[in-house]
Amino acid sequence: QITLKESGPALVKPTQTLTLTCTFSGFSLSTSGVGVGWIRQPPGKALEWLALIYWDNDKRYSPPLKSRLTITKDTSKNQVVLTMTNMDPVDTATYYCARGSNSFDYWGQGTLVTVSS
Amino acid sequence: QLVLTQSPSASASLGASVKLTCTLSSGHSGYSIAWHQQRPEKGPRFLMKLNSDGSHIKGDGIPDRFSGSSSGAERYLTISSLQSDDEADYYCQTWGTGIRVFGGGTKLTVL
Repeated sequence: QITLKESGPALVKPTQTLTLTCTFSGFSLSTSGVGVGWIRQPPGKALEWLALIYWDNDKRYSPPLKSRLTITKDTSKNQVVLTMTNMDPVDTATYYCARGSNSFDYWGQGTLVTVSS
Repeated sequence: QLVLTQSPSASASLGASVKLTCTLSSGHSGYSIAWHQQRPEKGPRFLMKLNSDGSHIKGDGIPDRFSGSSSGAERYLTISSLQSDDEADYYCQTWGTGIRVFGGGTKLTVL
């Protein structure tokens, strides 16, 4: 059974750095072809892809957000971490992690992050 | 630029069928996509991967009522025998070199 779960702060202040952790089970990020991505969804709005890390540690970022994002993995812990710098109220959203190198075939439940002073 | 376009809303009656459309931007008509369902207050759920030839692979436990098809730059999701819990937002998603893209979503209302 494949599961993913996001964790991190529910509230961050403007200009702070957000760190989110995706802990997964049922697959390995050391297996060829596997990737884990981060996607967010502002309240009432559409899904937006943020970043993706592959089994071989190759990384991809959404061009508009690339300067603010870092994605890393800890294969031994089955975790993927996303950091986003210089948070702003417009970054308020539910953040999801999902498995997939192309299509995302398993999703976490999401974690709501509010940016407010 | 790789862009997916979806109608904001659709509606159909209980027990009927509905066909949702996702349109790939010019020059990208050969791309595969994925369909995802998001029920109210829930996370997305993968429905299927749909290729340009109409072949598709569904996710775990996705019923036969859900099917996909393709024509040119358009990708379709057909839901037959509509049930009340099919009322949800439906997103298409695709991928290119270094990027992943989501459509704006279609809100399906079951009447």
